[in-house]
Amino acid sequence: AQSVAQPEDQVNVAEGNPLTVKCTYSVSGNPYLFWYVQYPNRGLQFLLKYITGDNLVKGSYGFEAEFNKSQTSFHLKKPSALVSDSALYFCAVRRPRGDGLTFGKGTHLIIQP
Amino acid sequence: DAMVIQNPRYQVTQFGKPVTLSCSQTLNHNVMYWYQQKSSQAPKLLFHYYDKDFNNEADTPDNFQSRRPNTSFCFLDIRSPGLGDAAMYLCATSRDPGMSTDTQYFGPGTRLTVL
Repeated sequence: AQSVAQPEDQVNVAEGNPLTVKCTYSVSGNPYLFWYVQYPNRGLQFLLKYITGDNLVKGSYGFEAEFNKSQTSFHLKKPSALVSDSALYFCAVRRPRGDGLTFGKGTHLIIQP
Repeated sequence: DAMVIQNPRYQVTQFGKPVTLSCSQTLNHNVMYWYQQKSSQAPKLLFHYYDKDFNNEADTPDNFQSRRPNTSFCFLDIRSPGLGDAAMYLCATSRDPGMSTDTQYFGPGTRLTVL
C-alpha cells in the first residue's frame, strides 16, 4: 500500500528566511506527487506536482519542490518566506489507478514577522 | 473563471436529520470526488464518480451516498448524521485519472456541524 509521511507537525520560520517542508513517500511503481496548501476554513489549493523529468519542480507563489528518488522524498521549498505563506501544507501521492489521492497528515507552516 | 463551487459553505444539522451537500464545477471535468476531512487530519476519500460510474471506497460508511445527475453537479447525502460525521467535506474534480498529468482541483469545502 502506498503512503505519504510528513514528519513535522509544525515548522516555524522567520520571514525572509528559506523554508522547507518535508515529505517522504512509499509507492510501488512511478510516484506522482503533489503539494497542496490549505488556509483556515478553505479548500485545498494546488501548488505543484511531480510527474516525470526535472527533479526540481516550480509551482505557484514562488514555491518549488525537489524530488529525490533515492531518498523517496519530495520536500517543498521556498527561498524567502512571507508571513502570508502561513498555512497548512499537504503532500499527496496519486493512487495507482489515478482515482484519488493519498495525503500526508499535513504540516502547519508558521512564518514569524 | 473555471472553478469548483460548494454550497453551502457552512451547514448545521441535527443528529439523525438527513443532509445534502452540493458541488458544482465549470471545468467540464470527467471525475468528481468527495473527501472527508476531520479536524487536524488529512482528507480521506469517500467516493468518486467517473462520468456516471460510481466508485465507493471500501471503508466508506453506508450512511454516506452520492448522486451525480449531470456532468456539472455532484451531491453528497448523509442519511443519518452522527456526531462523528462533523467534518469539512471537500469536493474535487479532475479531467482524466488515466493520464499521468491529471491534477485534482478542490472546492472551498463545506463545514458540517452536527448538533
